[in-house]
Amino acid sequence: GAVVSQHPSRVICKSGTSVKIECRSLDFQATTMFWYRQFPKQSLMLMATSNEGSKATYEQGVEKDKFLINHASLTLSTLTVTSAHPEDSSFYICSATGQGGTDTQYFGPGTRLTVL
Amino acid sequence: GEDVEQSLFLSVREGDSSVINCTYTDSSSTYLYWYKQEPGAGLQLLTYIFSNMDMKQDQRLTVLLNKKDKHLSLRIADTQTGDSAIYFCAESNSGGSNYKLTFGKGTLLTVNP
Repeated sequence: GAVVSQHPSRVICKSGTSVKIECRSLDFQATTMFWYRQFPKQSLMLMATSNEGSKATYEQGVEKDKFLINHASLTLSTLTVTSAHPEDSSFYICSATGQGGTDTQYFGPGTRLTVL
Repeated sequence: GEDVEQSLFLSVREGDSSVINCTYTDSSSTYLYWYKQEPGAGLQLLTYIFSNMDMKQDQRLTVLLNKKDKHLSLRIADTQTGDSAIYFCAESNSGGSNYKLTFGKGTLLTVNP
């Protein structure tokens, strides 16, 4: 149980385009989903927290207009990187809580974004 | 704010025990976690411990928590080459509504045959 998937696993796009990344909880209802960014050989940086049906809460320094988060259902959250630039290239990982009523976060496999 | 510290590297021989250490500053931490990350992959939850526990054992994994010193350790018995990965310590404080995790920078475990 507690499986989280992400799609796509890898994406390459041109500068100026927008990219959508999906995060799904496959076998449980996720009350809260989190989006992280990870730079090479570094820890995870929390970007935002989203609860189903409400606006995401962004961490300080994260542009909400640049990283659009939608949590439309209890099993799906999406992160859209708008007008992507090379500095947005990174590994994006989502996580979800809600399994068993604990606050344990279960992570997706990550999405590698490369902006040319 | 909260801070979680880990040593960055650990190298052991196959079959030996590995001990990865972590310290944290948030005295109101509720849960403490160990995650494993293999290259190019997401984080795999290995184990977690509630803050009122001292020890938790799960097969080859033993977690020790010293709440007074705010020190957490993960011991891997009979370490195998497949255990080579980055191990992240993380703490959460369920006093808030969203259970944010604060991660350490990760310890790269290298297992030599």
